[in-house]
Amino acid sequence: KAGVTQTPRYLIKTRGQQVTLSCSPISGHRSVSWYQQTPGQGLQFLFEYFSETQRNKGNFPGRFSGRQFSNSRSEMNVSTLELGDSALYLCASSSTLSTDTQYFGPGTRLTVL
Amino acid sequence: GENVEQHPSTLSVQEGDSAVIKCTYSDSASNYFPWYKQELGKRPQLIIDIRSNVGEKKDQRIAVTLNKTAKHFSLHITETQPEDSAVYFCAAKDTGNQFYFGTGTSLTVIP
Repeated sequence: KAGVTQTPRYLIKTRGQQVTLSCSPISGHRSVSWYQQTPGQGLQFLFEYFSETQRNKGNFPGRFSGRQFSNSRSEMNVSTLELGDSALYLCASSSTLSTDTQYFGPGTRLTVL
Repeated sequence: GENVEQHPSTLSVQEGDSAVIKCTYSDSASNYFPWYKQELGKRPQLIIDIRSNVGEKKDQRIAVTLNKTAKHFSLHITETQPEDSAVYFCAAKDTGNQFYFGTGTSLTVIP
């Protein structure tokens, strides 16, 4: 099976702009989680989607939002970008049979200038 | 909510020596504890995990121990090799299916 893919791999935006990142899970996986990774902070949970419904949400401002489509692909959107939003955004998928094991995508490196 | 702390943040060992990374968690109801390895520029990959009903698990040179009473778990790597150099993350999953990660340990194995 193909692994988790994320597009684009790199993005450069300026403050105030908005951005949309995409994640395609492993075929058959219905759960997609998003994480923000910054140096020294580790991975911080943004949200999890399962069958098009947001199942969990982390402690991020409302500028961060997401959605999941019927084919399990997921997008996350960040509006009104701030310098502090510069990070690696990772998504991970897991199957309904083994919800514990998460498979990560390569990430999208977002730089906000 | 759950809080996971990881120590040390950096670790250097000589090739062939052992490396130990420790994590503590706060929510006694957390029930699943994975460890991920992330090489430079690559995605995190699961290397070993342990569930709350098990005290120890081993996979070749890697082992994980869990002390539920003290709420801490550790990763042990024996006979370290240069290719073990990476950032290692611990995590805890709570009963709400949410994962909480430690801040990572950068391991350097010196040949």
